[in-house]
Amino acid sequence: GESVGLHLPTLSVQEGDNSIINCAYSNSASDYFIWYKQESGKGPQFIIDIRSNMDKRQGQRVTVLLNKTVKHLSLQIAATQPGDSAVYFCADRAGAGKSTFGDGTTLTVKP
Amino acid sequence: GAVVSQHPSWVICKSGTSVKIECRSLDFQATTMFWYRQFPKKSLMLMATSNEGSKATYEQGVEKDKFLINHASLTLSTLTVTSAHPEDSSFYICSAKDGGHGEFFGPGTRLTVL
Repeated sequence: GESVGLHLPTLSVQEGDNSIINCAYSNSASDYFIWYKQESGKGPQFIIDIRSNMDKRQGQRVTVLLNKTVKHLSLQIAATQPGDSAVYFCADRAGAGKSTFGDGTTLTVKP
Repeated sequence: GAVVSQHPSWVICKSGTSVKIECRSLDFQATTMFWYRQFPKKSLMLMATSNEGSKATYEQGVEKDKFLINHASLTLSTLTVTSAHPEDSSFYICSAKDGGHGEFFGPGTRLTVL
């Protein structure tokens, strides 16, 4: 079946550095992707999304890059802060509107 | 805006009992709600899609008679775990879709079956 996966389960960065979290997907028909942040014991929070007709989208301190050729997307967080520590999921929402989640990357920000 | 609540936030029950979890969209109407299950240190696994006024659509491998879903109104969906067993212990998360592309998640319900 189709899958969404992340390259690394954990990422540790120094406060103030930039973070890059990667995700690969397998469904060529996927046209909408979302990055979520999940803090311990809480539900996912929307961070940023991107449609397949774009290759880059920027938000506040976050940028999502989409490479459809290799079916890869990434989340870049600028000037990472301790409050950014969480699990980050990429999700692929296709067709009927349900989301398929990747496995998640745990980001730890060291002060 | 776009707040989704879940109740209870955590529940402990005995094996063999049934547990109902509520998911509410507080400030918008949601024709579609989703129920997910999440194991520790794992991703969210979609269990079913709940549409107001119709039967839920279950994902492959999810027992519809064990996980009863009712979407009685545009702001409320319920998930009932029937005859719960320890292996049903998990973090259950709902989400609700607005009329556009937004999908908003509830805070989750931690179920522990003894």
